[in-house]
Amino acid sequence: EAGVTQFPSHSVIEKGQTVTLRCDPISGHDNLYWYRRVMGKEIKFLLHFVKESKQDESGMPNNRFLAERTGGTYSTLKVQPAELEDSGVYFCASSQGGRGLYGYTFGSGTRLTVV
Amino acid sequence: GQQLNQSPQSMFIQEGEDVSMNCTSSSIFNTWLWYKQDPGEGPVLLIALYKAGELTSNGRLTAQFGITRKDSFLNISASIPSDVGIYFCAGPRTNAGGTSYGKLTFGQGTILTVHP
Repeated sequence: EAGVTQFPSHSVIEKGQTVTLRCDPISGHDNLYWYRRVMGKEIKFLLHFVKESKQDESGMPNNRFLAERTGGTYSTLKVQPAELEDSGVYFCASSQGGRGLYGYTFGSGTRLTVV
Repeated sequence: GQQLNQSPQSMFIQEGEDVSMNCTSSSIFNTWLWYKQDPGEGPVLLIALYKAGELTSNGRLTAQFGITRKDSFLNISASIPSDVGIYFCAGPRTNAGGTSYGKLTFGQGTILTVHP
């Protein structure tokens, strides 16, 4: 079974530019999560999709961040315009059914650097 | 909110040594999870603990769910170079009724370096 795929693996952009991160979850996984880790800090929850619906987006930092999940398959996370403090590693994870607490599979992450 | 504090922040050990790290919280957790992140990869679940006092092993790894439900410990015995990475504790966020929503709270991580 293919794992969770994230693209790109690295992105360096200038402050004020737009970046779109993509996540392809494991096929059949209804739950999709976005997390972010700023260097040296904890991994912080951003949002949770169940199929195409946003179940919880309480962790989204501000309205510069927009997440979508087309048809309940892949998800994108757009940052527009990017700020310096947006730098970090963005992880996507997926799980199958229910609360999905323990069945998380994480992607390798996208390392975003805003300069 | 629920926060997890891990210690130590980093460890430098010789191959063959045992390692201990812990995670504490001011809030009660009903489940404790330990993840490992290899360089360039995402976190991978190592051990899940479901009951206070529970002691669970996975190969050379042993984790314990503290009796107070506010802490957990991870031990690695006879470390090897591939144990290098960042170890995270995590717990599901719950509401007042103890229901989990699926999202996790993570600690800051313990960076482990093993010298051959």
